[in-house]
Amino acid sequence: DAGITQSPRHKVTETGTPVTLRCHQTENHRYMYWYRQDPGHGLRLIHYSYGVKDTDKGEVSDGYSVSRSKTEDFLLTLESATSSQTSVYFCAISGGAGGKSNEQYFGPGTRLTVT
Amino acid sequence: SQQGEEDPQALSIQEGENATMNCSYKTSINNLQWYRQNSGRGLVHLILIRSNEREKHSGRLRVTLDTSKKSSSLLITASRAADTASYFCATDHTGGFKTIFGAGTRLFVKA
Repeated sequence: DAGITQSPRHKVTETGTPVTLRCHQTENHRYMYWYRQDPGHGLRLIHYSYGVKDTDKGEVSDGYSVSRSKTEDFLLTLESATSSQTSVYFCAISGGAGGKSNEQYFGPGTRLTVT
Repeated sequence: SQQGEEDPQALSIQEGENATMNCSYKTSINNLQWYRQNSGRGLVHLILIRSNEREKHSGRLRVTLDTSKKSSSLLITASRAADTASYFCATDHTGGFKTIFGAGTRLFVKA
């Protein structure tokens, strides 16, 4: 998976609790993304980062925040989890040196269940 | 929405047959990509075609792009059971670097 790890891989949490998902890369890629995947919707972009401390909202950012304090790590936080945030979350990276900036490499995903 | 739309949503074929999947989009693009996702895994990049290209090949994959119709097709020739997966088109639109993914086509290749 191109040097991308996600943690945890599975998590069950209760409504109202904060949750943080971590994406870690060893590829030194500039861009990092968080997507959620739900049946019938494909992948929808939550937030993305174009550099350390540079982030922006995606298509479905409400209820989520992100932080990127160093190149390798991109954190996704659900401030107060809701059942509608039950999903599979994927991290992706792109824009490595000498690579095609648009080609994305995906992590293995985190399955989050909010009860 | 700028989201690409794949057609069909699901496709079932016999091993050895060709599989064709289509993608349509709404606004101008810089390039279009196809990805594959095996069950329970992350997406894997297959091929990228730029807006000034009309056709591209990679092994058993052939991608065409018709910018006048805002559509692309992915052809997998001589399919194998291992090709069973979901296939997504993804478009990179003019003026941004965010990639927009479609909902995908689920391909099932019967041995």
